Amino acid sequence: GAVVSQHPSWVICKSGTSVKIECRSLDFQATTMFWYRQFPKQSLMLMATSNEGSKATYEQGVEKDKFLINHASLTLSTLTVTSAHPEDSSFYICSAREVSGGLNQPQHFGDGTRLSIL
Amino acid sequence: LAKTTQPISMDSYEGQEVNITCSHNNIATNDYITWYQQFPSQGPRFIIQGYKTKVTNEVASLFIPADRKSSTLSLPRVSLSDTAVYYCLVGEWGGSGTYKYIFGTGTRLKVLA
Repeated sequence: GAVVSQHPSWVICKSGTSVKIECRSLDFQATTMFWYRQFPKQSLMLMATSNEGSKATYEQGVEKDKFLINHASLTLSTLTVTSAHPEDSSFYICSAREVSGGLNQPQHFGDGTRLSIL
Repeated sequence: LAKTTQPISMDSYEGQEVNITCSHNNIATNDYITWYQQFPSQGPRFIIQGYKTKVTNEVASLFIPADRKSSTLSLPRVSLSDTAVYYCLVGEWGGSGTYKYIFGTGTRLKVLA
């Protein structure tokens, strides 16, 4: 149980393109989803926290107009990288926490999306 | 900043028990301690979670002393496939009132034949 699916797993596109990444909780409902970014051989960096039905909360230094987050339902959150440039190339990972059970519920992570901007 | 500190790397041999210690001096009363495993180009995978004393599941044990300022992940009889990065996480409250994880550097475990 507690499966999180990310799509696509890998995307290559030209500079200036906008790219949408989907994150779905397949067998549970998630009030809160999180978006992380990871560069090679580095740790995960939290970009934003997404609560269903409300605006996302972005971490310091993350441009909200650049990384648009939508969390329209309890099972789906999307991250859109707008007008992507080569420096946006990275590994993007989402996670979700189940609605029930309180704060001690662990986050479940997707398998990530590798974004390469040419 | 992450609330945890771990050794950056460890080496072990197949069949040995591996213990990875994490320091979380500022852990709050309500915080749980959660460990994840990450392979290259994959998302982190939940290993184990605990609040105090000892927790054991089919893959690992987690030891937490009474003061809860540290914890130790124990992997029994590791194999080559356990080569991965291991993260110790303690949540924190964000400005939006959401409980979130800030990742530290993790421990890069290399299992040798």
